[in-house]
Amino acid sequence: QKEVEQDPGPLSVPEGAIVSLNCTYSNSAFQYFMWYRQYSRKGPELLMYTYSSGNKEDGRFTAQVDKSSKYISLFIRDSQPSDSATYLCAMSFYGQNFVFGPGTRLSVLP
Amino acid sequence: DAGITQSPRHKVTETGTPVTLRCHQTENHRYMYWYRQDPGHGLRLIHYSYGVKDTDKGEVSDGYSVSRSKTEDFLLTLESATSSQTSVYFCAITGGAGEQYFGPGTRLTVT
Repeated sequence: QKEVEQDPGPLSVPEGAIVSLNCTYSNSAFQYFMWYRQYSRKGPELLMYTYSSGNKEDGRFTAQVDKSSKYISLFIRDSQPSDSATYLCAMSFYGQNFVFGPGTRLSVLP
Repeated sequence: DAGITQSPRHKVTETGTPVTLRCHQTENHRYMYWYRQDPGHGLRLIHYSYGVKDTDKGEVSDGYSVSRSKTEDFLLTLESATSSQTSVYFCAITGGAGEQYFGPGTRLTVT
């Protein structure tokens, strides 16, 4: 079993849709959870960061962590064509030993 | 923006030649990392540093060495480049809350 699993997509949605991106993980010791957005030929950009379980909201983005199910989610409301990118989940222990999902490629169609 | 720059941004080199990539940060972060990103493999850790002259191996360290003589600079060296090292290389740092920030990347092609 891989440490982190993420559907690679591609995922295509119409503009304005709510997007749900998910990752599952196997190691219950992970405490820090992150979502990155990566545009083509660019570096990963930190979108959301959460410690332990719970929800965090930032504008159109909401990150959820369910440690009991070992499942994290990123929701994008009112999706825009500029949201088209690859989204990577990541997790770590004590801010070290980062593990990344392979990324989900998202296309938001005008 | 965590003040991370990488140089060069693009490089083409021949098999067997040595190559050094540089990562520079301006915010005095203790931890620095080198990753490579390849289709089908995602981001994989090559080496990391937890202080000046303190480094350790990641999961794909064979064929790579690193050095950190100053807090702000972390160098990745391919002693004798091979075609399998064609990749995009990212430097990263750990921020104060345990999150990670990435540089813009170096696209390396070994012919």
